[in-house]
Amino acid sequence: DVKVTQSSRYLVKRTGEKVFLECVQDMDHENMFWYRQDPGLGLRLIYFSYDVKMKEKGDIPEGYSVSREKKERFSLILESASTNQTSMYLCASSRDREINEQYFGPGTRLTVT
Amino acid sequence: AQKVTQAQTEISVVEKEDVTLDCVYETRDTTYYLFWYKQPPSGELVFLIRRNSFDEQNEISGRYSWNFQKSTSSFNFTITASQVVDSAVYFCALSEAEDDYKLSFGAGTTVTVRA
Repeated sequence: DVKVTQSSRYLVKRTGEKVFLECVQDMDHENMFWYRQDPGLGLRLIYFSYDVKMKEKGDIPEGYSVSREKKERFSLILESASTNQTSMYLCASSRDREINEQYFGPGTRLTVT
Repeated sequence: AQKVTQAQTEISVVEKEDVTLDCVYETRDTTYYLFWYKQPPSGELVFLIRRNSFDEQNEISGRYSWNFQKSTSSFNFTITASQVVDSAVYFCALSEAEDDYKLSFGAGTTVTVRA
């Protein structure tokens, strides 16, 4: 079974702090994704990566950056957290472009106060 | 523009009733994939099914069935004889050949099954 893990289930940070969200997958998947989920808006793609050190902006990249130094690990960085970044953050991975169903981690609920 | 529309925000049924979730998609690609995911109260999205645009055959898996109709750009999902454990948010998603890394998700339908 594919296993996607995220470093924290719940996180509380203060406005202006730098926040790191970590995601690890154990199935040698090429692609990894970061989404945020807000009520009524579904899932919105922040960034994705199709290879080590490669990244592409999703639909809502503003205020975020990412890092993928190893194939199994994909980090989401909030350089200066703001209250409007309070959300559920979901990490996902998919094998490749042919087999593109995504498998999700349990999510991190981030609250910025 | 919204690529995937799930018009039903919430559906509430009594156990053993059937429930059908609607999904309408929009794409100009001839090659694309459609997905359904389940998000139970625990929060983790669970992959249920992927269909490609060339396979319009309906699919059944236990109490779950999917009806794919290209003529109406719909990919509807039916839960037969619903159970309390089916209570979850269900998302429909689209992946287009032009950009096949990415999934575009609908807003989700919350299903509540009452005992």
